[in-house]
Amino acid sequence: AQRVTQPEKLLSVFKGAPVELKCNYSYSGSPELFWYVQYSRQRLQLLLRHISRESIKGFTADLNKGETSFHLKKPFAQEEDSAMYYCALKRDNTGKLIFGQGTTLQVKP
Amino acid sequence: ETGVTQSPTHLIKTRGQQVTLRCSSQSGHNTVSWYQQALGQGPQFIFQYYREEENGRGNFPPRFSGLQFPNYSSELNVNALELDDSALYLCASSLASGGKHEQFFGPGTRLTVL
Repeated sequence: AQRVTQPEKLLSVFKGAPVELKCNYSYSGSPELFWYVQYSRQRLQLLLRHISRESIKGFTADLNKGETSFHLKKPFAQEEDSAMYYCALKRDNTGKLIFGQGTTLQVKP
Repeated sequence: ETGVTQSPTHLIKTRGQQVTLRCSSQSGHNTVSWYQQALGQGPQFIFQYYREEENGRGNFPPRFSGLQFPNYSSELNVNALELDDSALYLCASSLASGGKHEQFFGPGTRLTVL
């Protein structure tokens, strides 16, 4: 069964500290993985996707097929990074997204 | 360019009632997906509509049904409401059903079932 697991409900760090939001998945095929973010009082929006191999707002994520992980990283957290982050897996070609439970990132001043 | 809009913003129903939620897709998009997000959980896929046809369904009972109109707007209907249907319902639109295009989410409709 396809599944996305985000083991931490809450991650609290100080400004300037490194951040790593964990995501593990189970999927039998070739996965396409995403990170979505929801800032306070805003709608869910795409942060980055693994096929793009890009850095958005200083965040990067590398797909590790051996460990079935897609962790989100940022070397120096900013207060404006405080938000809810969801890891998601796209199943086949229907566009169906399977989301993890989400991790709240709290960046303290 | 107009983003995805949903109506109503929130509503309250009682068990056994029926509800219709509405979604207007982003300009130029022809695919709409619906998700249910229970409190403290990630969104769960309900179904997707592409060019007015259902194109994929998640693990939801038949009392969850939908429609897509020629202008690509969409409705989600839920019959015989249960307490567990209380959730945020999200609509997302995209350019095509193949999933190659980014899904843009609406603000959601908060449904409370008493």
